[in-house]
Amino acid sequence: QSALTQPPSASGSPGQSVTISCTGTSSDVGGYNYVSWYQQYPGKAPKVMIYEVSKRPSGVPDRFSGSKSGNTASLTVSGLQAEDEADYYCCSHAGSDIYVFGTGTKVTVL
Amino acid sequence: QVQLVQSGAEVKKPGASVKVSCKASGYTFTGYYMHWVRQAPGQGLEWMGWVHPNSGSTKYAQKFQGRVTMTRDTSISTVYMELSSLRSDDTAVYYCAMSSSPRFDYWGQGTLVTVSA
Repeated sequence: QSALTQPPSASGSPGQSVTISCTGTSSDVGGYNYVSWYQQYPGKAPKVMIYEVSKRPSGVPDRFSGSKSGNTASLTVSGLQAEDEADYYCCSHAGSDIYVFGTGTKVTVL
Repeated sequence: QVQLVQSGAEVKKPGASVKVSCKASGYTFTGYYMHWVRQAPGQGLEWMGWVHPNSGSTKYAQKFQGRVTMTRDTSISTVYMELSSLRSDDTAVYYCAMSSSPRFDYWGQGTLVTVSA
């Protein structure tokens, strides 16, 4: 199972929006509505921000949104804030109860 | 509140095995899958597999088949991940993560495993 493809980096100024893509195949991203997104600060454990493509856990700001089209999922952070600077990883169910993570994207707030 | 507390850092020689524990509290231990995810220094997250604490059933990523064993002890609400035939590229932080659905809701603090001669 190959890792899902994400851009290594993305950036935006405070208040702007940034969108991160996560490209897989029809065997993972395209085949299931079980894509989740995780935010990770250096030296810390990841935190779920989006699950089942577009759902937000309680406590996650509505500035974070998710979507999917075909084999590509996307995470959009609107109204960027300094605290959004972190690494972001997508993850997809890949059939037979296995999972695969994306390669990760470092978001920089300019 | 849900807490996952992992065992401490380990240093192992190549070819050895390591067993990392993850003690759960604050929820019904047998009701939720426990996954293991690792992260090599400066690298991304890598899913390793899961164990279901109720049945003890497991599922492993193909990459780790034959080298990883995930078990649980329901009497102390603890899951274990044992990785054998360690190599230098197994040096990583290993996380346990509880899932209530196809997402990883709660994570342990991570355990650094260093493989070095």
